[in-house]
Amino acid sequence: NAGVTQTPKFQVLKTGQSMTLQCAQDMNHEYMSWYRQDPGMGLRLIHYSVGAGITDQGEVPNGYNVSRSTTEDFPLRLLSAAPSQTSVYFCASSYWGNTEAFFGQGTRLTVV
Amino acid sequence: SQELEQSPQSLIVQEGKNLTINCTSSKTLYGLYWYKQKYGEGLIFLMMLQKGGEEKSHEKITAKLDEKKQQSSLHITASQPSHAGIYLCGADIRYGGSQGNLIFGKGTKLSVKP
Repeated sequence: NAGVTQTPKFQVLKTGQSMTLQCAQDMNHEYMSWYRQDPGMGLRLIHYSVGAGITDQGEVPNGYNVSRSTTEDFPLRLLSAAPSQTSVYFCASSYWGNTEAFFGQGTRLTVV
Repeated sequence: SQELEQSPQSLIVQEGKNLTINCTSSKTLYGLYWYKQKYGEGLIFLMMLQKGGEEKSHEKITAKLDEKKQQSSLHITASQPSHAGIYLCGADIRYGGSQGNLIFGKGTKLSVKP
């Protein structure tokens, strides 16, 4: 099984550009979420989804949009990239609320 | 998240020594998860604790959950260089009213000196 796949692995953007970070899982998990990881800050929840068609905001949602049109995919959109969005982004999925969350390998984003 | 405090922030131990990492929540815990991360890589699941008093072990790593104190500890016995990395605790605190969304501590960076 591929598990949770994130693309791209690395990305450099200019301030003001937009882009979409892709996340796909092949485990038929209902729960999916996006985190960002910054030095000394641990992981912070950006947005999450409890099923197709349902999304909600996490701890740090500003500047990001998500949608969940299928169970498998949960893309994260940066509408107008800012240097403060330079970070490592992780996508996670789990079957149900009290089960292990599987994480992707991360996308390292730099905004210049 | 400030709702989840991990201590210590970093730890350097001599190979063979024991160590403990703590994770304390300011909210009710519905589940506590321990992950390990190597620099620049994804998160590796270690253990999940759900019931007060629950204790789980895998190889030389033991995790316990104290529900009353809203606290978990991760104990490594006879540390090895392979244990080095960042240890993260994640808590299900029913963020947004939904279960399954984990809030994480800031992590503990462990270095093991040969």
